[in-house]
Amino acid sequence: KQEVTQIPAALSVPEGENLVLNCSFTDSAIYNLQWFRQDPGKGLTSLLLIQSSQREQTSGRLNASLDKSSGRSTLYIAASQPGDSATYLCAVRRGKAAGNKLTFGGGTRVLVKP
Amino acid sequence: EAQVTQNPRYLITVTGKKLTVTCSQNMNHEYMSWYRQDPGLGLRQIYYSMNVEVTDKGDVPEGYKVSRKEKRNFPLILESPSPNQTSLYFCASSPLLAHTTDTQYFGPGTRLTVL
Repeated sequence: KQEVTQIPAALSVPEGENLVLNCSFTDSAIYNLQWFRQDPGKGLTSLLLIQSSQREQTSGRLNASLDKSSGRSTLYIAASQPGDSATYLCAVRRGKAAGNKLTFGGGTRVLVKP
Repeated sequence: EAQVTQNPRYLITVTGKKLTVTCSQNMNHEYMSWYRQDPGLGLRQIYYSMNVEVTDKGDVPEGYKVSRKEKRNFPLILESPSPNQTSLYFCASSPLLAHTTDTQYFGPGTRLTVL
């Protein structure tokens, strides 16, 4: 059974500092890995999707890496801003045979202090 | 605008009173899924559907029913809600993994409280 773990569970940094969020998964047979952002009481916004054949994906200040063999992904957010305060979730997706299932980590709650 | 909509967004009900949470997507996606999110337990899949009239259980299906009579709609039915079903519910949809870049799109969530 796939298990996804995110460490740390919470993180507080001063504005301008780089953020490093970690995600680990137990089964490397994934289809892709996705990072989401969730604001309090709101839905999920997809930030980055890394295909299983890729090593990293970038969008603006965000960079996500994937090491499938070791079951790890890292989300880097450069030059953090107060608007980056949210909960960040990673999720790994299995193929059709596993019901296209997304398995989520518990999330990392980020606070960027002005 | 491509989107997944859920109704209602907020619902307070009492134990045993049947309710339905609707989910609709306008992207012609084959795959739809329901998740619940609880503190300390993260998001867990309740049911999913690969296409019309094809549904299957996720990790926590007990106490829930779904139907998929049309491609765009995937309602979640609680026949006899109980307080342990108080949660934040999300509906999601995606293409049926035609490409590895296919992402799941999430609705805004429905906050359900069962008294």
